[in-house]
Amino acid sequence: AQKITQTQPGMFVQEKEAVTLDCTYDTSDPSYGLFWYKQPSSGEMIFLIYQGSYDQQNATEGRYSLNFQKARKSANLVISASQLGDSAMYFCAMREGATGGFKTIFGAGTRLFVKA
Amino acid sequence: GAVVSQHPSWVICKSGTSVKIECRSLDFQATTMFWYRQFPKQSLMLMATSNEGSKATYEQGVEKDKFLINHASLTLSTLTVTSAHPEDSSFYICSAREGEGPQPQHFGDGTRLSIL
Repeated sequence: AQKITQTQPGMFVQEKEAVTLDCTYDTSDPSYGLFWYKQPSSGEMIFLIYQGSYDQQNATEGRYSLNFQKARKSANLVISASQLGDSAMYFCAMREGATGGFKTIFGAGTRLFVKA
Repeated sequence: GAVVSQHPSWVICKSGTSVKIECRSLDFQATTMFWYRQFPKQSLMLMATSNEGSKATYEQGVEKDKFLINHASLTLSTLTVTSAHPEDSSFYICSAREGEGPQPQHFGDGTRLSIL
């Protein structure tokens, strides 16, 4: 069963505008972590932001924020003031606790294109 | 920040050759390391999880005799693709984690393996 779902294969955004990348997840483990990674064309995985299942507030890191809606099991990434350098592949990931073997699994990814 | 070094970054070799990829955590002790495989324009698929000093745990469908993983120390894990064939051509990425807590996994820059 798919545990991490990213329904947007590709997204376009105008430079300087905000964009939301969707992510939903499925787990029965009460303890889990949610991550977003950026993968530019060069291939390296760049950690962007983390949200713990018990965190009360939405995580923010600079221009990145995570819209965590636990009841809906969604963890959307919001990028504010998009820049040309934000064009890349974005992966949502989840690490479950002991029931998931502490493994991190990834969604299919969303390719973001920032237009000048 | 935490650095994971993966070597080599590119490998091109003939069919039938065995190829070893190294993954090192440079400034922290990695109790757990993970090996992922990524086909073009697809997500990262977890191949196996390795803990220092014990046998790796392989995901379903991954041939452990084909993909040999050794995690001999807290800073080094190796993946050996034995008797590689063209279908083994892929992007292989390792990642390392310091503990079982909510720390993000730190990724190497990946190895592009091309089997002719």
